[in-house]
Amino acid sequence: DSGVTQTPKHLITATGQRVTLRCSPRSGDLSVYWYQQSLDQGLQFLIQYYNGEERAKGNILERFSAQQFPDLHSELNLSSLELGDSALYFCASSVGGQGGYGYTFGSGTRLTVV
Amino acid sequence: GIQVEQSPPDLILQEGANSTLRCNFSDSVNNLQWFHQNPWGQLINLFYIPSGTKQNGRLSATTVATERYSLLYISSSQTTDSGVYFCAVKRSGGSNYKLTFGKGTLLTVNP
Repeated sequence: DSGVTQTPKHLITATGQRVTLRCSPRSGDLSVYWYQQSLDQGLQFLIQYYNGEERAKGNILERFSAQQFPDLHSELNLSSLELGDSALYFCASSVGGQGGYGYTFGSGTRLTVV
Repeated sequence: GIQVEQSPPDLILQEGANSTLRCNFSDSVNNLQWFHQNPWGQLINLFYIPSGTKQNGRLSATTVATERYSLLYISSSQTTDSGVYFCAVKRSGGSNYKLTFGKGTLLTVNP
């Protein structure tokens, strides 16, 4: 157990739907990062939050949004889902905002859009 | 952005063999990590090694930051070592805090 908890582990949904992925960071970590792993794009950075505020954005689609709550857990919202959104979504956390002591990854949420 | 190249892309070994995986990166980094993604998709952190050498059991890693490469050594490989090995780096300086991943090395260890 890495200490980063992601739920659910698996999600199957239909095109056009909206889903929410949840992440609880490792105790003491203030930063949360979201990554998407698809077969053709590899592991891509989506977005980072630090202590409740958005810190950096990567290749995140406008249909996707995220937030970090006061208890530091984070949610990634995916809407108007398309077949191409099927992927593994990882959450990672780090102590500071710059990952200076390494990043710890959760087990991922496998999203299948049918 | 920073480029991360891993080699070889694929590697097939017999159980008990040794192997070396390489990661080259195009800019100065202050974070480098090696991960193992198992067949179930879990990303397991192997080493946090922005510089120097570390060992953990049959695995060891060396990063030569000045020459912008890192090596992961696997000795006496076992079938459970199979999976994809990723190198990921964070560029020094700036406001970009993301980890950039290489495309990985797919390791298959046969019994």
